[in-house]
Amino acid sequence: QLQESGPGLVRPSESLSLTCNVSGGSINSSTYYWGWIRQSPGKGLEWIGSIYHSGRVYYTPSLKSRLTISMDMSENRVSLKLNSVTAADTGFYYCARQGHGSGSDKWGQGILVTVSS
Amino acid sequence: DIQMTQSPSTLAASVGDRLTITCRASQSISNWLAWYQQKPGKAPKLLIYKASNLETGVPPRFSGSGSGTEFTLTISSLQPDDFASYYCQQYYTLWTFGQGTKVEIK
Repeated sequence: QLQESGPGLVRPSESLSLTCNVSGGSINSSTYYWGWIRQSPGKGLEWIGSIYHSGRVYYTPSLKSRLTISMDMSENRVSLKLNSVTAADTGFYYCARQGHGSGSDKWGQGILVTVSS
Repeated sequence: DIQMTQSPSTLAASVGDRLTITCRASQSISNWLAWYQQKPGKAPKLLIYKASNLETGVPPRFSGSGSGTEFTLTISSLQPDDFASYYCQQYYTLWTFGQGTKVEIK
């Protein structure tokens, strides 16, 4: 199971920090990437970044300068930090398990983050 | 960047209808394509991976085909539970979603 957590409200220009706690399997697995996907209200899905067990990270180009994804093997969790947020960063944020060649087969329930003063 | 274009963006259909949703990639992605179903307020659910492989537990009325740049998701006989939004996703280079197709009741 995957479970996102973090603040539901973030002020503009501040940082958004989320955690994805993974249970039922280790994130230290060569079988999977661990990704973050977001969805603005009423809009489509946007992949924003992923991390591999080696620590290698992959970011969508449009967010690369503001985004950091990391993993904590001891706590079996993946984290996301997005700097200098604006209202455009408001939306549901999902973490997902991404298999090699097999799509994203496990998802968290998602967390709504609102950027507002 | 690889862009994914889905069509149509909205589709009105009736129970029992056969549906086809198309996804086009801006460059060849071989068969590294997945399809997802999403219902309001819920996380997406994987239906198809590697273009044509049915995820475990997904009803066989769902099928996928295609390779290279053109892909289709077909629902052979639409059921009430199938009214939802559908997204394609390439994972040949990084990951990119199509803009989605909403299947509505006619």
